[in-house]
Amino acid sequence: DAGVTQSPTHLIKTRGQQVTLRCSPKSGHDTVSWYQQALGQGPQFIFQYYEEEERQRGNFPDRFSGHQFPNYSSELNVNALLLGDSALYLCASSESGRSYEQYFGPGTRLTVT
Amino acid sequence: LAKTTQPISMDSYEGQEVNITCSHNNIATNDYITWYQQFPSQGPRFIIQGYKTKVTNEVASLFIPADRKSSTLSLPRVSLSDTAVYYCLVGGQTGANNLFFGTGTRLTVIP
Repeated sequence: DAGVTQSPTHLIKTRGQQVTLRCSPKSGHDTVSWYQQALGQGPQFIFQYYEEEERQRGNFPDRFSGHQFPNYSSELNVNALLLGDSALYLCASSESGRSYEQYFGPGTRLTVT
Repeated sequence: LAKTTQPISMDSYEGQEVNITCSHNNIATNDYITWYQQFPSQGPRFIIQGYKTKVTNEVASLFIPADRKSSTLSLPRVSLSDTAVYYCLVGGQTGANNLFFGTGTRLTVIP
């Protein structure tokens, strides 16, 4: 049983560019959450998707957007990249109603230069 | 949103029992307490979750006093591979927005 997978593993972008990160949830999970983790900090919640809709959102600007597909996989898009967007982006999946027990992927390391 | 306070770091020798205490004075009635473990360059991993009293699984035990204003994660006989950051989270069963990770406790296990 495959766990949560994310692609790509690493990514280098230039300030002002746009990026798309991808996530496939654990089998049987229908809810996907995205987190940003800066070096030395805990993960910060970006948003959560369920039934192809954004269900909850953290304190992140509109430059951060997402999508969930019918097969429950998800994308995170970040527009107009800033240097401060450099971080590890984590995707987590869970069963609806059990968001306290999330299964995280290995993350995508984004570097903005 | 109930915030948590944990020690920034802890050291322990191999084979010892480690107890990490978390304060959450503003915990709400419907909040659960959840602990995650994170190794470097990996995503966090769910360890244990509880509401009150004591919960035990194959990895750890979680002790929660009657007032629920704190909780203690207990790791029995730690090994070098338990070196990681441990996060205490407080939130409801639904909605990841309630899960605030904080900076966690960095546990270093010494040979």
